[in-house]
Amino acid sequence: AQRVTQPEKLLSVFKGAPVELKCNYSYSGSPELFWYVQYSRQRLQLLLRHISRESIKGFTADLNKGETSFHLKKPFAQEEDSAMYYCALSFSSNTGKLIFGQGTTLQVKP
Amino acid sequence: NAGVTQTPKFQVLKTGQSMTLQCAQDMNHEYMSWYRQDPGMGLRLIHYSVGAGITDQGEVPNGYNVSRSTTEDFPLRLLSAAPSQTSVYFCASGPLSLGNTIYFGEGSWLTVV
Repeated sequence: AQRVTQPEKLLSVFKGAPVELKCNYSYSGSPELFWYVQYSRQRLQLLLRHISRESIKGFTADLNKGETSFHLKKPFAQEEDSAMYYCALSFSSNTGKLIFGQGTTLQVKP
Repeated sequence: NAGVTQTPKFQVLKTGQSMTLQCAQDMNHEYMSWYRQDPGMGLRLIHYSVGAGITDQGEVPNGYNVSRSTTEDFPLRLLSAAPSQTSVYFCASGPLSLGNTIYFGEGSWLTVV
């Protein structure tokens, strides 16, 4: 079965420190992977997606098919990055179904 | 353009009561879905739909019913609420295409006592 695992419930760093939020997936085919973010009192929104190979708000994520990982990275964390981050997997163009991981809360301390 | 609209935002139910969470989108999206968000469990898919008249079960469908009579609306029904259904519920919609973004509603906070 398809699964997304985010091993850290909470990641706490100081402002200016590098950040890496881990995401591993299990799927034998070619997945599409996403990172969604939920800021305090806001709705979930797309941060970035593998297919676009983009950098948003300084965040990047590289798909490693060998390690089945899609870790989210940022070289210098900012306080406004504090939020809940979800990794998500889409594996079927016929259904559009999206499977989410458990989420990681990122806390950036001043 | 309102996007994805969920109602109600907050609801308290007694065990055994029924209710419907409403979801509407104005983006002509084929795909609509309901998730529940619980601490430590992340977002879990309850039901989803790929078009009017078509629905399917997600990871945690028990205790919930859905229907899709129009492209715009995708209500979630709790027939006999249980305390285990206390959660935050999110509706989401998107184009039916691999790799496309889905858009979320603001969430509905449901407490079953």
